[in-house]
Amino acid sequence: AQSVSQHNHHVILSEAASLELGCNYSYGGTVNLFWYVQYPGQHLQLLLKYFSGDPLVKGIKGFEAEFIKSKFSFNLRKPSVQWSDTAEYFCAVRGRAGKSTFGDGTTLTVKP
Amino acid sequence: EAQVTQNPRYLITVTGKKLTVTCSQNMNHEYMSWYRQDPGLGLRQIYYSMNVEVTDKGDVPEGYKVSRKEKRNFPLILESPSPNQTSLYFCASSLLARGGSRSTDTQYFGPGTRLTVL
Repeated sequence: AQSVSQHNHHVILSEAASLELGCNYSYGGTVNLFWYVQYPGQHLQLLLKYFSGDPLVKGIKGFEAEFIKSKFSFNLRKPSVQWSDTAEYFCAVRGRAGKSTFGDGTTLTVKP
Repeated sequence: EAQVTQNPRYLITVTGKKLTVTCSQNMNHEYMSWYRQDPGLGLRQIYYSMNVEVTDKGDVPEGYKVSRKEKRNFPLILESPSPNQTSLYFCASSLLARGGSRSTDTQYFGPGTRLTVL
């Protein structure tokens, strides 16, 4: 069975601080990995995804994530957060059979 | 405009009264999926469909039904709603084609349907 674990449920940072959100997954085959963001009152939007190739992927708004196969991890990073990054972040995996699994989410609060 | 639409956006109903939440996409996507979002539990997949007439259970299918008679539509049916189905529901679609490029595997989400079952 596939599963996703996000390490932090709530992160509070000041503007310009660096961000790293942890994500570990379990799956017995090849997966696609995703990070989605949900701003208050809005639906989910894709930040970035990994499906093959360079394990360091860059997404929108200055976010990036690194896929480390040996650790089954796909951590999200941003060098300098802004107040507008306040949102909930979800890590997700999808296997070739189509089933999707999301983590519980991490709420990021950025203080101005 | 490419989009996923859901109706209704808000619904308050009573236990046992059958309801349907519609989902439609105009991007000719093969894959469609329903999720429910509950505080502290993230998104949990209810059902998904790889193509017309092909549906599979996700992690929390109990109490729900789906059908995929047309490519663009994927309605979610609650035959006998109960209070534990009070939640925020999202429909999503992606181009994912069986055997095709996984680079097309991006899900586009609808705006959500907030359901309250009394």
